[in-house]
Amino acid sequence: LAKTTQPISMDSYEGQEVNITCSHNNIATNDYITWYQQFPSQGPRFIIQGYKTKVTNEVASLFIPADRKSSTLSLPRVSLSDTAVYYCLVGDTRFSGGYNKLIFGAGTRLAVHP
Amino acid sequence: ETGVTQSPTHLIKTRGQQVTLRCSSQSGHNTVSWYQQALGQGPQFIFQYYREEENGRGNFPPRFSGLQFPNYSSELNVNALELDDSALYLCASTPGTSAQETQYFGPGTRLLVL
Repeated sequence: LAKTTQPISMDSYEGQEVNITCSHNNIATNDYITWYQQFPSQGPRFIIQGYKTKVTNEVASLFIPADRKSSTLSLPRVSLSDTAVYYCLVGDTRFSGGYNKLIFGAGTRLAVHP
Repeated sequence: ETGVTQSPTHLIKTRGQQVTLRCSSQSGHNTVSWYQQALGQGPQFIFQYYREEENGRGNFPPRFSGLQFPNYSSELNVNALELDDSALYLCASTPGTSAQETQYFGPGTRLLVL
């Protein structure tokens, strides 16, 4: 399964757009890219998933270039409640022996300031 | 709210003891995965159960074992507890085993081994 690299931490201010980039140079053809958010003492929560180009939902956008070796999670107009750890994951069931385990790295700790 | 619950929320054990952690998945979710999250790190995959059978395992010793029941509940058992087993234990459920499926995490059980 492809390994991912993210910045350890980021700081932002309320109302700003935040972009977190994840590198996954060894991504396989059938790997999906998924982002999770985790608040302290809670389980991770799904944010967004994509395979190529751009995906947008009510909370975020995911930009994936043509070579798929990186992806960028974009959070529009962050608020204090967006302070959390954000994880980028890649994986494909077929490369896991038929089960969909998630491989988490250390994630990016985003701090949003007033 | 993900519809996934875990019990207990906190637990203190001593080295050498055994512990059982419980998870209740969303109705209709046939797959449950267990993760261990040490402080400051991302969750690490322990194992996955699909329709009451273990179908994938991470790099954890055999003293970590599990059970899944037909009523969408499951257990994680850890024997001969070690100090390094202190962590947040998370369960996550999905309908199947596809990489595209969102994993819904519970709030976790925080285990402290003294």
